[in-house]
Amino acid sequence: DIQMTQSPSSVFASVGDRVTITCRASQGIGSLLAWYQQKPGKAPNLLIYSASSLQSGVPSRFSGSGSGRDFTLTISSLQPEDFATYFCQQANSFPRTFGQGTKLEIK
Amino acid sequence: QVQLVESGGGVVQPGRSLRLSCAASGFTFSTFAMHWVRQSPGKGLEWLAFIWHDGNNIYYADSVKGRFTISRDNSKNTLYLQMNSLRAEDTAMYYCARDLGKGRYFDYWGRGTPVTVSS
Repeated sequence: DIQMTQSPSSVFASVGDRVTITCRASQGIGSLLAWYQQKPGKAPNLLIYSASSLQSGVPSRFSGSGSGRDFTLTISSLQPEDFATYFCQQANSFPRTFGQGTKLEIK
Repeated sequence: QVQLVESGGGVVQPGRSLRLSCAASGFTFSTFAMHWVRQSPGKGLEWLAFIWHDGNNIYYADSVKGRFTISRDNSKNTLYLQMNSLRAEDTAMYYCARDLGKGRYFDYWGRGTPVTVSS
């Protein structure tokens, strides 16, 4: 199975900050990576797929980059509604696997 | 709008069975592949199973292979997860999710149904 490792596990930031979360795959996965946002008590919500494609309806302050083993999710200017937990997920092979999550908290 | 509504969760003893359902609406269910994903505090998000739009391609996570069965009834717009020989470690929130394409990503999720396996 492909292991996905996110860093950091948690990050404190303020409204307006630029935040970057990283995800590393245990082997190369091309660009087959997604990012999800999850708020407490809710299901995950797809933000980015194929490493850098913005899902319909997702604000443009979210962006993704990377290929191979290393990927990043960037939020250009944090809004209050962005404080949540973020997960990466590889789609290169079955079983699909997720990172352990990065909790974005208010500073 | 796309809606996925899971049901069938509950409290069950170890070794027993449970069948989860996921009722889909707002899209042409028979043309989309579907997934089951679960989430527990100890193990995070765990993908469980995938079924092609016509049911002809199915994949499982090793943790549930041989115990869980994914199926669908396109005439009823419903996805199922039959869970047998349940274990304490199967305790989680169970989500159904629509496939974005090619079995890769999950573009719509239900709200989930909780399963607790305990004696």
